[in-house]
Amino acid sequence: DAKTTQPNSMESNEEEPVHLPCNHSTISGTDYIHWYRQLPSQGPEYVIHGLTSNVNNRMASLAIAEDRKSSTLILHRATLRDAAVYYCILVLYGGSQGNLIFGKGTKLSVKP
Amino acid sequence: DSGVTQTPKHLITATGQRVTLRCSPRSGDLSVYWYQQSLDQGLQFLIQYYNGEERAKGNILERFSAQQFPDLHSELNLSSLELGDSALYFCASSGTGVISYNSPLHFGNGTRLTVT
Repeated sequence: DAKTTQPNSMESNEEEPVHLPCNHSTISGTDYIHWYRQLPSQGPEYVIHGLTSNVNNRMASLAIAEDRKSSTLILHRATLRDAAVYYCILVLYGGSQGNLIFGKGTKLSVKP
Repeated sequence: DSGVTQTPKHLITATGQRVTLRCSPRSGDLSVYWYQQSLDQGLQFLIQYYNGEERAKGNILERFSAQQFPDLHSELNLSSLELGDSALYFCASSGTGVISYNSPLHFGNGTRLTVT
């Protein structure tokens, strides 16, 4: 499986935008980029996914580099509730493995 | 609320014992996944069931086993417990047998197992 690299931790101020980077230089053409986050004392939750084009949903935006070797999860206005560990995961749709492989993720702290 | 229910929330037991963790997937989801999360290992995939059949296996110990029942709920059985088995155990479900854009994983809030 292609691997991802994320910073161990990041800090943000409340109500400011946050850009969480992810490098995936060995991504294949059929790998989708998924983001999950895990709030304290909870299970991971799906945030967003994309293949080539930038994507927006009610939770966040995903900006994907033209060469697809990196991507950035954008939280437009961080709230205290966004403090969590954010995981960037590559997923091969229809592959024989149906599971997600989680790395260490980025621990986001949000200051009031 | 993800719709995935795990019981119990906490479990404390002694070494050598056996426990059963239970998971009810989201309504309509056919796949159930089990993950283990410990401080030093992070989230590790254990096993996946799809519509009652084992679909994929990860780093699951021989002392651990799982099954998915006809009503699609799943149980993870952990036996001959060791101190190192203390961890959070998460169950997740999805609508299909593989991850796809319209079938992400939905996780429960986990069972915290403490082995003393």
